[in-house]
Amino acid sequence: AQSVTQLGSHVSVSEGALVLLRCNYSSSVPPYLFWYVQYPNQGLQLLLKYTTGATLVKGINGFEAEFKKSETSFHLTKPSAHMSDAAEYFCAVVPLSGGYNKLIFGAGTRLAVHP
Amino acid sequence: GAGVSQSPRYKVAKRGQDVALRCDPISGHVSLFWYQQALGQGPEFLTYFQNEAQLDKSGLPSDRFFAERPEGSVSTLKIQRTQQEDSAVYLCASSPSTHGTLNTEAFFGQGTRLTVV
Repeated sequence: AQSVTQLGSHVSVSEGALVLLRCNYSSSVPPYLFWYVQYPNQGLQLLLKYTTGATLVKGINGFEAEFKKSETSFHLTKPSAHMSDAAEYFCAVVPLSGGYNKLIFGAGTRLAVHP
Repeated sequence: GAGVSQSPRYKVAKRGQDVALRCDPISGHVSLFWYQQALGQGPEFLTYFQNEAQLDKSGLPSDRFFAERPEGSVSTLKIQRTQQEDSAVYLCASSPSTHGTLNTEAFFGQGTRLTVV
């Protein structure tokens, strides 16, 4: 079965520092890959997604992620953290076989940004 | 409305009580999903509707859970005889695509936080 692993349930960075949130998936066939952000008391918002084509995907708010098939990874990065980036981030996949309509989420990583 | 609306935002139920959670998707969105998010976990898929048809209910945890979307717009998730393990945030999402989330974004509501005491 498909699964998504997010390494680190909590990540803390200084304002202006690099943000790196890790995501690995398990699949023999590369799925479609997503990153969602959840701000307090708000719904999930799509940051970016990888379906086909270029493996480096740019999203909103300066975030980007790179699909690496050899490493089964889709890590999320941002060169310089801002206080407003503090939120919970979820990596998700849509399996290409059978579960075309289901997002399978990781457990999430809570990002804290300190001055 | 501008986004996916869920009501109530918070619900406290006594164990054994029945509850009904409402989702108003974005107007015209064909696909509608329900997810369950337990504390400290990622959302888990419950069920999927394409218009009024429930095409996938494989994620519903027991026969106490029932979802409907009779006119292809508003959906209701009903939980009968609630148990403490049902305590979670229930998220609704909608998408304009008939292929679910494959090619288009799913828009999520703020969720309903259910606490069973």
